[in-house]
Amino acid sequence: EPEVTQTPSHQVTQMGQEVILRCVPISNHLYFYWYRQILGQKVEFLVSFYNNEISEKSEIFDDQFSVERPDGSNFTLKIRSTKLEDSAMYFCASSEAAGTTDTQYFGPGTRLTVL
Amino acid sequence: KQEVTQIPAALSVPEGENLVLNCSFTDSAIYNLQWFRQDPGKGLTSLLLIQSSQREQTSGRLNASLDKSSGRSTLYIAASQPGDSATYLCAVGNNAGNMLTFGGGTRLMVKP
Repeated sequence: EPEVTQTPSHQVTQMGQEVILRCVPISNHLYFYWYRQILGQKVEFLVSFYNNEISEKSEIFDDQFSVERPDGSNFTLKIRSTKLEDSAMYFCASSEAAGTTDTQYFGPGTRLTVL
Repeated sequence: KQEVTQIPAALSVPEGENLVLNCSFTDSAIYNLQWFRQDPGKGLTSLLLIQSSQREQTSGRLNASLDKSSGRSTLYIAASQPGDSATYLCAVGNNAGNMLTFGGGTRLMVKP
């Protein structure tokens, strides 16, 4: 069964450094998403992406964050200058379309630790 | 702003018991609602999706219901098994399938 994959599974970085989290969505899906989950807290929406554009973003997704589809298979989340509070599990998701019947499928996550 | 709440936060039951997990949301203008399962340190596995026009959806031992007007959904698990032990998350879609708003989850333990 097709699945969303994410790399790396765990990333440790120093505060102020840039990180890029990578995702390979399910191949025929057109909508891509990033969510994050700070330890012990709810899963929070960051951004959705369709047709090479951001379609929606939350207030968390400020100028420090960016997303890109650099090629036909990868979808990346970049954090330009990491802060301690960026430490979280980051989940990528994808869906075939954005209708009422379209399930979002999630990857296994990347655990980001900012020191 | 949509708020999603799940009660109880944790539940422990003996194997074989039928159980109900609850999810409530504040804005009834939803697009759809998804139930997920999350194992410790793992990603989210989609269990069921209910469209806003539906009242319930079934998959195996799982049955999810939706009452939009009262802002509630329930996940019914029949004949629970130890392998069902996980955190169950409810997530509401408010517009064209984009942003999901999640509840805090119910941590379920099924004891053999």
